[in-house]
Amino acid sequence: DAGVIQSPRHEVTEMGQEVTLRCKPISGHDYLFWYRQTMMRGLELLIYFNNNVPIDDSGMPEDRFSAKMPNASFSTLKIQPSEPRDSAVYFCASTLTQNYGYTFGSGTRLTVV
Amino acid sequence: GENVEQHPSTLSVQEGDSAVIKCTYSDSASNYFPWYKQELGKRPQLIIDIRSNVGEKKDQRIAVTLNKTAKHFSLHITETQPEDSAVYFCAAKHTGNTGKLIFGQGTTLQVKP
Repeated sequence: DAGVIQSPRHEVTEMGQEVTLRCKPISGHDYLFWYRQTMMRGLELLIYFNNNVPIDDSGMPEDRFSAKMPNASFSTLKIQPSEPRDSAVYFCASTLTQNYGYTFGSGTRLTVV
Repeated sequence: GENVEQHPSTLSVQEGDSAVIKCTYSDSASNYFPWYKQELGKRPQLIIDIRSNVGEKKDQRIAVTLNKTAKHFSLHITETQPEDSAVYFCAAKHTGNTGKLIFGQGTTLQVKP
């Protein structure tokens, strides 16, 4: 298995632009999570899905952030408009059931200038 | 909701010495406690986990202990090697369908040759 696949690996954008991050979970995993990692706040859970349905989006910082999972093999996290404080590494993770730990993707390093 | 505190934030040891990282959690319903290792610029990777029905688990040079009464758990690394240098994260969750993995702030371990 190729693991959790995220794209792009790096993204540099100007403030105000729309940013879309992509994730392909491990085939067969029915839970998908989006985390944000910064030095100040560590690993923060933004949102997670079960069987493509959003279960908990209480970690989404504000309305500028949105996430979708149109099918079992693809999810997006969108920021519109982006701001410099959104600069972080965004990780996607998946798991088969809630009884196990998560497998993380390689992350997307986002820089908003 | 769950809150996980991790100490110390940085730890420096001599090669061959032992390292101990401690975490406390707030939600008594939490029953799954994984540990992740994150090397610089890489993804967090699961290295060991423990469930609330056991008090200790060991895998070669790493071990994890759990004290449910006190709501704390610890990672022990023996005979440390330079390649153990990384950031280590503890986490806690309840394995019910709505449970979500909450991470500690991380411990930067440096093993000096």
